[in-house]
Amino acid sequence: GAGVSQSPRYKVTKRGQDVTLRCDPISSHATLYWYQQALGQGPEFLTYFNYEAQPDKSGLPSDRFSAERPEGSISTLTIQRTEQRDSAMYRCASSLPGANVLTFGAGSRLTVL
Amino acid sequence: GIQVEQSPPDLILQEGANSTLRCNFSDSVNNLQWFHQNPWGQLINLFYIPSGTKQNGRLSATTVATERYSLLYISSSQTTDSGVYFCAGLSGSARQLTFGSGTQLTVLP
Repeated sequence: GAGVSQSPRYKVTKRGQDVTLRCDPISSHATLYWYQQALGQGPEFLTYFNYEAQPDKSGLPSDRFSAERPEGSISTLTIQRTEQRDSAMYRCASSLPGANVLTFGAGSRLTVL
Repeated sequence: GIQVEQSPPDLILQEGANSTLRCNFSDSVNNLQWFHQNPWGQLINLFYIPSGTKQNGRLSATTVATERYSLLYISSSQTTDSGVYFCAGLSGSARQLTFGSGTQLTVLP
């Protein structure tokens, strides 16, 4: 697509439920990033993909968080057994391989009650 | 990883005023970017500026890599400039950008 598309834009869930967020990057962009942004803070790195490979997932805060990009295009971020502290904006970004400039999507705002 | 410190944390301006936002890094960076988060939450890349000076309309940025800081200048500010400005950088072989906590800018009409 022309830009990075994320869905849903807003998600409200109850503590303990699983949530899956989706990112559709710019079609020519091989590299895809996930960031978590708490209210009043800057985005923090979670993980990234080069095509379908996931070289770095060091930023995932716990094993409840996982990400996939099985065909090297669309990616999903899944949070299992959500907790209130998971409430945040989840941002996806993409770039050309080895490029320095990231294009961010509009984000998915997750609220865990 | 690197630490990124932004100042000031908050800034309120009257429309038409100029401002300077600062970003300090704890270590040398080989990639430095400025972003604007608008009131609707969209994060827009303003500059990729690992060193030197760039200008884009009323905005310009300067990075002095040897002294580990970058400045963002906003001239003749407009209400549409309101939002949060973030700087972010990469250090070493890392692929992930490290962001500062941002400067919240409010431009009053």
